[in-house]
Amino acid sequence: GQQLNQSPQSMFIQEGEDVSMNCTSSSIFNTWLWYKQDPGEGPVLLIALYKAGELTSNGRLTAQFGITRKDSFLNISASIPSDVGIYFCAGPSNFGNEKLTFGTGTRLTIIP
Amino acid sequence: GAVVSQHPSWVICKSGTSVKIECRSLDFQATTMFWYRQFPKQSLMLMATSNEGSKATYEQGVEKDKFLINHASLTLSTLTVTSAHPEDSSFYICSAEGPIDEQFFGPGTRLTVL
Repeated sequence: GQQLNQSPQSMFIQEGEDVSMNCTSSSIFNTWLWYKQDPGEGPVLLIALYKAGELTSNGRLTAQFGITRKDSFLNISASIPSDVGIYFCAGPSNFGNEKLTFGTGTRLTIIP
Repeated sequence: GAVVSQHPSWVICKSGTSVKIECRSLDFQATTMFWYRQFPKQSLMLMATSNEGSKATYEQGVEKDKFLINHASLTLSTLTVTSAHPEDSSFYICSAEGPIDEQFFGPGTRLTVL
C-alpha cells in the first residue's frame, strides 16, 4: 500500500527558530494535507494543497506541493511554544476515494 | 462550525468486556465517517469507513466482528470493541466527512483494557 515517510522523526528547537519538515511518498498524490496533533487530541488541519508546485501559507506556516507530486514540505517560521506537537502529512488514497493515508509524523519539541 | 465530538474521552475496562465509542457531527450531517486507531508514538491508521444506512467497509487486517460499527443516523457513528483485550488499548479517533469531502476529526477516545 501507499506509504508516507516524514523526516525528521523528531525535532528539538529553541523558541524563535524556524522549522522545516518534509513528507515523501512512494506514489503520486493529487492532494497533500498537513495536520497538527496536540497530546491527547485529534488532528487539526493546518494547510491543504491541491496542485503540483502550489505554495500556500497559513500565518507562520508555509507548505508546498512538490512538482513530482511525491513530496511536500512544511515550514514554520519563528516558532512559539504552542507549536509543540506532532505534525502529520496526509493524502487521499490513489483509488480516487476519500480515505486518507497519514504520514509517520514529525514530533516538534521546543527547548526552553 | 464543523465540530466532531467523541464520547467517552477515555475509558478503562476489564478484559473480555465490550466498549462502545460514539462519534457525533454536531453542526453538520455526515454520510461518511471514518474510524482510526493510533498506538503510542505512532501514526493514525484507518480501521474502517462508516457509511450511513449501510455496512461499514473495513481495512485489511481489521476484524469486523471484533470492531462493530453502526452509522444509524447522519450525525452519529458508533464503534463497539467487543471482548476487548489489553492489545486493543489504543487511542481511537473518528472523523466525519464534510460537504466538500474534507474530514473533520474528533478529539479521540483513549481505551485502556486491563
